[in-house]
Amino acid sequence: DTGVSQDPRHKITKRGQNVTFRCDPISEHNRLYWYRQTLGQGPEFLTYFQNEAQLEKSRLLSDRFSAERPKGSFSTLEIQRTEQGDSAMYLCASSLGGGASDEQFFGPGTRLTVL
Amino acid sequence: GDSVTQMEGPVTLSEEAFLTINCTYTATGYPSLFWYVQYPGEGLQLLLKATKADDKGSNKGFEATYRKETTSFHLEKGSVQVSDSAVYFCALSHQGAQKLVFGQGTRLTINP
Repeated sequence: DTGVSQDPRHKITKRGQNVTFRCDPISEHNRLYWYRQTLGQGPEFLTYFQNEAQLEKSRLLSDRFSAERPKGSFSTLEIQRTEQGDSAMYLCASSLGGGASDEQFFGPGTRLTVL
Repeated sequence: GDSVTQMEGPVTLSEEAFLTINCTYTATGYPSLFWYVQYPGEGLQLLLKATKADDKGSNKGFEATYRKETTSFHLEKGSVQVSDSAVYFCALSHQGAQKLVFGQGTRLTINP
């Protein structure tokens, strides 16, 4: 399967702990996006990369959040000092190009529960 | 800022019924419009898209027409099947921003 993969699929952590998620996009896709989805809501944009460059960050991405895509392939999203409000599904998507109509392919998501 | 509003769910229909899920948007300029679907236990998948006014996107019997005058992109299907049960998301994207702005989603259940 050559789709977008995310790891882990589920993460339970205690408040105050740090967590890191990984996303492997479709090979040769230049764009990589992170979204957050809470229960009963649509995904909300967090940040995106063009190759290794992080080009936009949402206001939702507080100082406790950091994302990297060091070699323009996989990406990591780290949340420091987790809070209960961080509990959500974290989605990764990738696209071949950067056009507004380019299809974004989504991974299965990482479900984070902060106790 | 940009926003997308979908009809409230959940929506429950019988098999072979006609489906409409309303979607309206607020945006500057001329965004591209999308419908994504999330089947139980699966990730989001693109269902259809339209990139300019009056374009009609279609796939798997679903259709939606980009109406700029009413800022709408309603999803329709003439005869739904049990396998269409899923959560449907309307979304938009701008050429400059590329990020997707989603509606809140509409859960659809089709009973046999």
